Amino acid sequence: GQQVMQIPQYQHVQEGEDFTTYCNSSTTLSNIQWYKQRPGGHPVFLIQLVKSGEVKKQKRLTFQFGEAKKNSSLHITATQTTDVGTYFCAGPRAGGTSYGKLTFGQGTILTVHP
Amino acid sequence: DADVTQTPRNRITKTGKRIMLECSQTKGHDRMYWYRQDPGLGLRLIYYSFDVKDINKGEISDGYSVSRQAQAKFSLSLESAIPNQTALYFCATSDPWGAETQYFGPGTRLLVL
Repeated sequence: GQQVMQIPQYQHVQEGEDFTTYCNSSTTLSNIQWYKQRPGGHPVFLIQLVKSGEVKKQKRLTFQFGEAKKNSSLHITATQTTDVGTYFCAGPRAGGTSYGKLTFGQGTILTVHP
Repeated sequence: DADVTQTPRNRITKTGKRIMLECSQTKGHDRMYWYRQDPGLGLRLIYYSFDVKDINKGEISDGYSVSRQAQAKFSLSLESAIPNQTALYFCATSDPWGAETQYFGPGTRLLVL
């Protein structure tokens, strides 16, 4: 079945440092979504990328979708303590009957030391 | 989101007991999902329902069953709970006419002794 791998599993940074998490799918995705889960909270949607090679920015966050639509990355510039949490990528497999059904990566747990 | 609620928020039960986790939503979405979250394993899909008459198994459905009582309600049951079903359970909804974005409830933390 479809697998979505995310690395690293953990990342500890000092406040102000940059952070990147990478997501790789075993199959082509119709889109890639990113979610953030604060400690003790639930996943919250951040963004969706649909087009091959697409890049989107949200303030200090930059999201990329690979040319082959099988990988993605999230980069945070100058991390802040409010960035702490687990970041998940998720995507539905392209084609078939997977519409609306997401496969999630394992998540990257980000810790920011002040 | 407050539009998706789960009860109970925390539950401790014993091996062999039957328990039900409930999910309600006011978003008017047809699609509802149950996930479990375990450390290091991310979110894994248990069951999903694209409308009231549609129920589908996810990747880890063994030991679980669901009921879609109405568009707004989707319940998850553990017929005979076992310790390795200790996890954080999330209900989610999505809008088929939207961007497939999923909206999660606050979660139910389940401990099976």
